[in-house]
Amino acid sequence: AQSVTQLGSHVSVSEGALVLLRCNYSSSVPPYLFWYVQYPNQGLQLLLKYTTGATLVKGINGFEAEFKKSETSFHLTKPSAHMSDAAEYFCAVRTGANSKLTFGKGITLSVRP
Amino acid sequence: GAVVSQHPSWVICKSGTSVKIECRSLDFQATTMFWYRQFPKQSLMLMATSNEGSKATYEQGVEKDKFLINHASLTLSTLTVTSAHPEDSSFYICSTKFQENQPQHFGDGTRLSIL
Repeated sequence: AQSVTQLGSHVSVSEGALVLLRCNYSSSVPPYLFWYVQYPNQGLQLLLKYTTGATLVKGINGFEAEFKKSETSFHLTKPSAHMSDAAEYFCAVRTGANSKLTFGKGITLSVRP
Repeated sequence: GAVVSQHPSWVICKSGTSVKIECRSLDFQATTMFWYRQFPKQSLMLMATSNEGSKATYEQGVEKDKFLINHASLTLSTLTVTSAHPEDSSFYICSTKFQENQPQHFGDGTRLSIL
């Protein structure tokens, strides 16, 4: 079985500050890992993904995430927060090409002026 | 641009009404589509997997007769909420998986409000 843990429900940062959203996963086989962003009343937009290869993955809007197998983590970071980054962020895991995508409960990012 | 089109984006209707939501894949053929339900401030819960030309696979606890899924073509899957009641009010999102080892692309969701 696979699962995703996103601790906390809300993160608030100042504009220009570092963004760090944590994600830990559980998987019995090498995982595929994803971060999605959701704006109000919209679907999910893919930020970045890890499948194989380089463990530091760069995505859109300046976000990046690092796959750490030893820590079973895939934390999302952005060096400098922008007001437009305020949204809901979901970490997700899939354990094979045909397996289902399992989402974490999501975390709300607020950016203060 | 968007690769998945979901329609309508917002529905308000009376209790007892049946509501159909469409999910279209644009510019590619999607043999598999997924339907999710999302309650406010919560994560997405997979309801069912829609397979072109065959019956959908429903997750445990999802009523098949309540949430009818039809995937009659490679570009269209529909979810019909039959005899909807206020407890069915939610945000419904579809997604596709059009290529192996690639992420899913999501529609913009449908906000369903049953009065």
